Amino acid sequence: GQNIDQPTEMTATEGAIVQINCTYQTSGFNGLFWYQQHAGEAPTFLSYNVLDGLEEKGRFSSFLSRSKGYSYLLLKELQMKDSASYLCAVSYFSGNTGKLIFGQGTTLQVKP
Amino acid sequence: DAGITQSPRHKVTETGTPVTLRCHQTENHRYMYWYRQDPGHGLRLIHYSYGVKDTDKGEVSDGYSVSRSKTEDFLLTLESATSSQTSVYFCAIRRTSGLSTDTQYFGPGTRLTVL
Repeated sequence: GQNIDQPTEMTATEGAIVQINCTYQTSGFNGLFWYQQHAGEAPTFLSYNVLDGLEEKGRFSSFLSRSKGYSYLLLKELQMKDSASYLCAVSYFSGNTGKLIFGQGTTLQVKP
Repeated sequence: DAGITQSPRHKVTETGTPVTLRCHQTENHRYMYWYRQDPGHGLRLIHYSYGVKDTDKGEVSDGYSVSRSKTEDFLLTLESATSSQTSVYFCAIRRTSGLSTDTQYFGPGTRLTVL
């Protein structure tokens, strides 16, 4: 079956660095996504990893290890606006299309 | 902005009534998805479409049906709403580009309350 785990909640301080981990067990793995979701809003795409290693995009970086079934999202120079839920999602092939399975999300609270 | 709108944005209905949610896209994407989001469960796939009149079930499809008669519109119907279907419903499209072969982009969501 498909399974994704990520911490439910995290707290960090403005200006600091935080790492949000995601572990997964899936068949037909086709890549891993991170989305950001502010309260009451839709998820928005942050990053995509299909190869092992680190992808950097400004203050946000995402890492993938396919052999370990592990990913993390690294947020640097935290700002108050980074307070949101961060969703880890794994892409896999099933039937006639690619699908996403989502973790429950990690709610990050950034404090002054 | 992926050009996705959902209607209605909020709806309160009573148990046993039929409800239809609409997702509209303006960019001619082939793949469209309906998810529900509930506390403690994350986003779960209800149904998806891979073309006009081509649809298939997701992991939580019981009690839901869908239709896609035009590329731009994907409808989700609750034939007889139940309180367990109180949720936030998101529509998504799949945009294919380069390395990111199946990035999904989400509409603004519909908050449905079944009393």
